[in-house]
Amino acid sequence: QQQVKQSPQSLIVQKGGISIINCAYENTAFDYFPWYQQFPGKGPALLIAIRPDVSEKKEGRFTISFNKSAKQFSLHIMDSQPGDSATYFCAASFTGGGNKLTFGTGTQLKVEL
Amino acid sequence: DGGITQSPKYLFRKEGQNVTLSCEQNLNHDAMYWYRQDPGQGLRLIYYSQIVNDFQKGDIAEGYSVSREKKESFPLTVTSAQKNPTAFYLCASRAAGGSYEQYFGPGTRLTVT
Repeated sequence: QQQVKQSPQSLIVQKGGISIINCAYENTAFDYFPWYQQFPGKGPALLIAIRPDVSEKKEGRFTISFNKSAKQFSLHIMDSQPGDSATYFCAASFTGGGNKLTFGTGTQLKVEL
Repeated sequence: DGGITQSPKYLFRKEGQNVTLSCEQNLNHDAMYWYRQDPGQGLRLIYYSQIVNDFQKGDIAEGYSVSREKKESFPLTVTSAQKNPTAFYLCASRAAGGSYEQYFGPGTRLTVT
């Protein structure tokens, strides 16, 4: 059972544009929603995360929007740069039971000049 | 340097052999995790440990074993019972208490032929 669905699978954005990646979850017990950035052959790096008590969190060019009633959250990358080209994963976990992360299937982002 | 180290970066084995992947952290984190990543898929949890001498199965534990004899070390053994062992293996850790963030190591790419 895939508990976190991520879309799109791939995304091409022009330099300076906005990249938007969406995730939807099923388990209402989830209370932590991180986004990871992964470059080829490297481990994922924690980018930004949100708890369900807020609807938006911004760190630099990266923003998470969270809609608890719709059970959806999204990553917005403003002023996208070629260096942002990577695979992005959303994930979710809940307090207790080891805080295990359930991941989406990833989005390959390519930012073109 | 504080962080998570995984060794080796690349590992090659013949079918039918057991192989052990190393994961060490000097972050003083209590919880440690092993994930498996296959092309085009998200990360899937193999095993996790919240405290020394204790560990729990994740979603895909069959064919794998772990130990947690020291706080800083969480080795993963891929046994001959694992039907499709070729994959990218990632180790992560998390601080204790109310901390949610998981940080990943650089990964080990295992190829079994």
